[in-house]
Amino acid sequence: GQQVMQIPQYQHVQEGEDFTTYCNSSTTLSNIQWYKQRPGGHPVFLIQLVKSGEVKKQKRLTFQFGEAKKNSSLHITATQTTDVGTYFCARMKTSYDKVIFGPGTSLSVIP
Amino acid sequence: NAGVTQTPKFRVLKTGQSMTLLCAQDMNHEYMYWYRQDPGMGLRLIHYSVGEGTTAKGEVPDGYNVSRLKKQNFLLGLESAAPSQTSVYFCASSQTGTVSNQPQHFGDGTRLSIL
Repeated sequence: GQQVMQIPQYQHVQEGEDFTTYCNSSTTLSNIQWYKQRPGGHPVFLIQLVKSGEVKKQKRLTFQFGEAKKNSSLHITATQTTDVGTYFCARMKTSYDKVIFGPGTSLSVIP
Repeated sequence: NAGVTQTPKFRVLKTGQSMTLLCAQDMNHEYMYWYRQDPGMGLRLIHYSVGEGTTAKGEVPDGYNVSRLKKQNFLLGLESAAPSQTSVYFCASSQTGTVSNQPQHFGDGTRLSIL
């Protein structure tokens, strides 16, 4: 259907290592949003990508939208313990009235 | 700024009981959403509303009802609670649903256990 898949489901990294999570769709996406949820917290919006091949950066975080608009990635450089949490990508349905979330990637950072 | 406020934060129910979860937003947002979050399944949309007086079904609407009598409030009702409805419930709101979509703002969640 119109689900998005995320890989990996879990990732454990040593502090200072890089981390990447991937979001894949079988259909073309109009846009993609990324959210972060800290343990015990609520999802917080990080960024939205709209254009094919778009790349956006937020400090150590780099977000990329694929050329075919069927995949996206979030890369964190030199992870810190504050990066711990679950990262969700979310797609908007073509009717623009609701957002469908991926299953998320849970990141653990070992100090 | 309060943002999105959910009440209650925690609740334990017995099977068959009914209850209402309240979501209130003070950002004058048009769109409001109810999600449930279960381990390993991300966020699943239960119902949503694109404006006062309107509601629509999401991915997992069965067993739930909603109402949006006022723009700032979105109520989620469990008619006859079942153990399968044990979950964390999140409410969210956004300004619009257009392609230049505004981000969704989430409440802190309601942790609901059905015994």
